[in-house]
Amino acid sequence: KNQVEQSPQSLIILEGKNCTLQCNYTVSPFSNLRWYKQDTGRGPVSLTIMTFSENTKSNGRYTATLDADTKQSSLHITASQLSDSASYICVVSSGGSYIPTFGRGTSLIVHP
Amino acid sequence: SAVISQKPSRDICQRGTSLTIQCQVDSQVTMMFWYRQQPGQSLTLIATANQGSEATYESGFVIDKFPISRPNLTFSTLTVSNLSPEDSSIYLCSVARDSTDTQYFGPGTRLTVL
Repeated sequence: KNQVEQSPQSLIILEGKNCTLQCNYTVSPFSNLRWYKQDTGRGPVSLTIMTFSENTKSNGRYTATLDADTKQSSLHITASQLSDSASYICVVSSGGSYIPTFGRGTSLIVHP
Repeated sequence: SAVISQKPSRDICQRGTSLTIQCQVDSQVTMMFWYRQQPGQSLTLIATANQGSEATYESGFVIDKFPISRPNLTFSTLTVSNLSPEDSSIYLCSVARDSTDTQYFGPGTRLTVL
């Protein structure tokens, strides 16, 4: 069964600090991995997408990494801002299905 | 990317009634999906809305409970029927150009059933 596990479940950091969110998956065959940001009361918004051959992708202060061998991904947020407070969802797509597998998300709270 | 709107943004409904949620996209898209997101949970796919034919439902979701329409390539509705408190969730519409494309999500509809 395809699964996506995210850690930590929640995280509280101070404004300006860096943080790293983790995603482990057992989706096979692997097609791509996306990180989404979901603000409270809003729909998820795509931050990055990585295929099998890519091991890092940046979008401003967000940097995602992918290790396809260990089936792990991370999302690193640099110099956090209050607006980074949101849920971050890891989504993995399989080559065998158009239906992706969603993680439960990491809830990030950035305090001033 | 696509601009997606959903109506209503939120509603409070009584047990036994139904709620119809509308999803409008600013451009024609091949694929439209309906998801449910229960509190603290990941997104769960309810069905794929097919233009001009019956929706394709995922395991655990049936047409009688979640009837879906998709009359054209820019519009779809999801009805949640015979509401119970367990139906309280956020319902999200998403679209994609094809099966390998990034999915773009609407803002969601927050449903509370009393």
